[in-house]
Amino acid sequence: RKEVEQDPGPFNVPEGATVAFNCTYSNSASQSFFWYRQDCRKEPKLLMSVYSSGNEDGRFTAQLNRASQYISLLIRDSKLSDSATYLCVVNTGFQKLVFGTGTRLLVSP
Amino acid sequence: EAGVTQFPSHSVIEKGQTVTLRCDPISGHDNLYWYRRVMGKEIKFLLHFVKESKQDESGMPNNRFLAERTGGTYSTLKVQPAELEDSGVYFCASSQDYRGTGGANVLTFGAGSRLTVL
Repeated sequence: RKEVEQDPGPFNVPEGATVAFNCTYSNSASQSFFWYRQDCRKEPKLLMSVYSSGNEDGRFTAQLNRASQYISLLIRDSKLSDSATYLCVVNTGFQKLVFGTGTRLLVSP
Repeated sequence: EAGVTQFPSHSVIEKGQTVTLRCDPISGHDNLYWYRRVMGKEIKFLLHFVKESKQDESGMPNNRFLAERTGGTYSTLKVQPAELEDSGVYFCASSQDYRGTGGANVLTFGAGSRLTVL
């Protein structure tokens, strides 16, 4: 079983749609959580950290459920520029990030 | 502020040859990491330097891989001899001292070095 599991997608949505991605992690000792975005043939870039209380950054909302070891990312009012791969990333506490395989999002006009 | 830079961006070598990848972290970042993405798989940790010391090298695949960070500035990752399964994208990342960030480890990645072993 992978340490971080994500649905690879692709998720095909029209502009303006709301889309949600989920992720589960296996290590209950994990300490910090992130969503990274990766464009094709580019490096991963931090989208947002995920906090236990949930957090929002513009159109993006992240949630963490420690009891269920589940992380989510909600994107509202999707833009064409949101098309990318979204990586769920977990820090297991040893300053070593564990990545999911990513969920691909395609936003169409 | 200059980001994390990696060189070369793409290297094509034959099986058995040697390749050295270089990473220049963001100035002032003590933490430097190497990660790798093999085609179809997730990005995986290779190792972590704190300044010039190897903090964690548990992800290094085998002894054909050698990472160095002399002087605590740039780092090199040498693969010798390269095998077909070493093909992939090697990412370098750096971060500041995490102890002041509540444990959160926010990394900035370089654009990666794509290695193709034929």
